[in-house]
Amino acid sequence: DTEVTQTPKHLVMGMTNKKSLKCEQHMGHRAMYWYKQKAKKPPELMFVYSYEKLSINESVPSRFSPECPNSSLLNLHLHALQPEDSALYLCASSQDSGTGVYEQYFGPGTRLTVT
Amino acid sequence: AQSVSQHNHHVILSEAASLELGCNYSYGGTVNLFWYVQYPGQHLQLLLKYFSGDPLVKGIKGFEAEFIKSKFSFNLRKPSVQWSDTAEYFCAVSPYNTDKLIFGTGTRLQVFP
Repeated sequence: DTEVTQTPKHLVMGMTNKKSLKCEQHMGHRAMYWYKQKAKKPPELMFVYSYEKLSINESVPSRFSPECPNSSLLNLHLHALQPEDSALYLCASSQDSGTGVYEQYFGPGTRLTVT
Repeated sequence: AQSVSQHNHHVILSEAASLELGCNYSYGGTVNLFWYVQYPGQHLQLLLKYFSGDPLVKGIKGFEAEFIKSKFSFNLRKPSVQWSDTAEYFCAVSPYNTDKLIFGTGTRLQVFP
């Protein structure tokens, strides 16, 4: 199984709502990532969890709150978002092969619209 | 700072034409190199990767890429494109032994029958 799954596929939320995005992988990978991708742009790294601990936060606003409940799950909690936060949110995972190489597998993403 | 440049933003080809997409990066140390493809409405898929060894690497669907260390380049090639190759192509670089994956701005490829 080389799949990263994400739910929901689409999400529409108001600026005062609280919602969560979910990501799951069963490949035994030890690192999981959140990216944000605007239309016709490359993915931008938001957060990295390594062995269930937050290792990288790319200066993301606090209205985005990541959580890693266990090694297979990654959540992104959303609160008080702005319309400019509308984007495709991608989850990825990777496993260090022991050679210093991290090959990332991506999920299909959640298309978020903030109204 | 590390960066990845893709010179071709939009490429339009006819079927059976040859393809070469440029990718250059700026980083002084050892890197791992990737090309990802994103078909319309689909998620990012790994096309090919270079870690070490033979600088000419072959990927899925007839794609290949060549790592030229002296030029900091990792160009993607395909001898004969098909309509189904229409997609967005991203070059990405990961400094060795790090979790970071730095993407280029992407190249939109349109192939017409």
